[in-house]
Amino acid sequence: EVQLVESGGGLVQEGGSLRLSCAASGFTFRTHNMNWVRQAPGKGLEWISYISSDTTTMYYADSVKGRFTISRDNAKNSLYLQMNSLRAEDTGVYYCARDYDRIWNWFDSWGQGTLVTVSS
Amino acid sequence: EIVMTQSPATLSVSPGERATLSCRASQSVSSHLAWYQQKPGQAPRLLVYGASARATDIPARFSGSGSGTEFTLTISRLQSEDFAVYYCQQYNDWPLTFGGGTKVEIK
Repeated sequence: EVQLVESGGGLVQEGGSLRLSCAASGFTFRTHNMNWVRQAPGKGLEWISYISSDTTTMYYADSVKGRFTISRDNAKNSLYLQMNSLRAEDTGVYYCARDYDRIWNWFDSWGQGTLVTVSS
Repeated sequence: EIVMTQSPATLSVSPGERATLSCRASQSVSSHLAWYQQKPGQAPRLLVYGASARATDIPARFSGSGSGTEFTLTISRLQSEDFAVYYCQQYNDWPLTFGGGTKVEIK
């Protein structure tokens, strides 16, 4: 069974930093591209970052570019999101999501999410 | 950036009836469109990809159609567990973008 378990969320002041982790199991992690998607309280879904299976390609939403860094450790079956210069509008639930396909990016598996609260 | 617009924002439907949800892209996304269902306090669940292919274990009452800029998710004979928020997502170009969601509520 595919499992994605996020951790590392919490309360942080504006301007602060957090590092989120996503532990993967039940599938061959190193062969799947991965993403982070977030959801502000009561709002819709927002894709924020992508990393290819071999770590050679990363993409970011404009809203986080220059502040967030995605990475992965295939030996540890783990995905990460380093979040710096946090703003109040970064508050929300952060999900890691697996790409099903090697080329196209739809998300067939999601973690349960971890809540990030940025206080102003 | 490709903007995805979903309508209506809220759809009131009686159990057993059909629900038709719309998603429009600001430019063509070919058939590179997915649909997700999200219930309160839960992660989204993939329903449809490639505009019309049902994901694993998704019941046949869910069907997707469309291509280019106009897409539809149809839920025939709504069941109690289908009342949720539905999102479309394009994956034709970066950044990946979602629609604002349609909430399907009990009438």
